[in-house]
Amino acid sequence: DTGVSQDPRHKITKRGQNVTFRCDPISEHNRLYWYRQTLGQGPEFLTYFQNEAQLEKSRLLSDRFSAERPKGSFSTLEIQRTEQGDSAMYLCASSLVRVNTEAFFGQGTRLTVV
Amino acid sequence: RKEVEQDPGPFNVPEGATVAFNCTYSNSASQSFFWYRQDCRKEPKLLMSVYSSGNEDGRFTAQLNRASQYISLLIRDSKLSDSATYLCVVFFPGNSGYSTLTFGKGTMLLVSP
Repeated sequence: DTGVSQDPRHKITKRGQNVTFRCDPISEHNRLYWYRQTLGQGPEFLTYFQNEAQLEKSRLLSDRFSAERPKGSFSTLEIQRTEQGDSAMYLCASSLVRVNTEAFFGQGTRLTVV
Repeated sequence: RKEVEQDPGPFNVPEGATVAFNCTYSNSASQSFFWYRQDCRKEPKLLMSVYSSGNEDGRFTAQLNRASQYISLLIRDSKLSDSATYLCVVFFPGNSGYSTLTFGKGTMLLVSP
């Protein structure tokens, strides 16, 4: 499978714990996005990488959230001191650097904070 | 004003009906526009890009009006399998000036027999 893959698919954690998610984009894609989606809402932008550079971060991204893409390939999203409001689907997408190019999404990581 | 606004749903239509979804965006500097489809508990997938001249793909027609900052999606001859949430997506300049994909809330379509 050469699509975007995310790991884990599901994560249940206790409030206050740290969690880390991984995204492997399509291999030739140099753009990588992280989104968060809750029930009944569209995906909400979190952050964006072009190669290894993190170029955009949403103002909604608190300091408990951090993302990396150290070698311009896979990316990780870490949430520290999780809160119940962090429960959501975390989606990763990748694309080429080109106008009018579509982004391909992974199947997401569903986080439940109890 | 939200950056990308869509018709609130759900839209309930019978098979064979024609249905139209509307979307407005707030930033006139937006460069690219898309409609994505999302099935329940699945990831979004591209339905079609939206070009200035309008474009058609089978039963689906997308239109863009840059002056009004408005995008539409028309689905003709609805099928049961069209039931999904339709997401309007705009390539938006962000806080740092780099463009990223911004999604609307989505409009749910339910096609019934």
